[in-house]
Amino acid sequence: DVVMTQSPLSLPVTLGQPASISCRSSQSVVHGDRNTYLSWFQQRPGQSPRRLIYTVSHRDSGVPDRFSGSGSGTDFTLKISRVEAEDAGVYYCLQSTVWPYTFGQGTKLEI
Amino acid sequence: EVQLVESGGGLVQPGGSLRLSCAASGFTFSDDWMNWVRQVPGKGLEWVAHISPDGSETYYLDSVRGRFTISADNAQNSLYLQMHSLRADDTAVYYCARLPRTADTYWGQGTVVTVSS
Repeated sequence: DVVMTQSPLSLPVTLGQPASISCRSSQSVVHGDRNTYLSWFQQRPGQSPRRLIYTVSHRDSGVPDRFSGSGSGTDFTLKISRVEAEDAGVYYCLQSTVWPYTFGQGTKLEI
Repeated sequence: EVQLVESGGGLVQPGGSLRLSCAASGFTFSDDWMNWVRQVPGKGLEWVAHISPDGSETYYLDSVRGRFTISADNAQNSLYLQMHSLRADDTAVYYCARLPRTADTYWGQGTVVTVSS
């Protein structure tokens, strides 16, 4: 299975400051169709997860532009340019290139 | 409005069975793969199973293969997860989800399965 390793697991941040979460895969998650199916999800307390980013860097509809994704191959990053109070929660990366699809352990963003 | 509403969770003894259901509305159910994803309370997410739009392909997490069966009724816009030989480590919130690689994603609110004697 592809192991997704996130760091840090806990990220204290100050309002208005940037934040960055790393996700590394144990093998390349580039699909045979040349796309990289690496997504980022946000889960606020008591809520179901919500996807923010797909195929590494594409923002989902309605996602603020302070969220951005980057990376390639096995190394990926989610960045928040200026953290707002509503960003508190747990963030997960997901690879959906190879079955079984696998999530990272989650990074708790604490404001 | 898109809705995914799970039901069927509850308390079951080890070795027991449960059948989860998910009623979908607001989108064309048969257009995409459908999924079950679980989350142990306070822990991370785990993709359990998914099924192709026509039901001809299914994939399972190794730890549930042979015990869980995913199925769908496109006429009823419903997704199911039949779970047998339940173990304590199957205790989790089970989410029904539409999770295409690039198109819009949808999650239910989850149903709680507790396996305990």
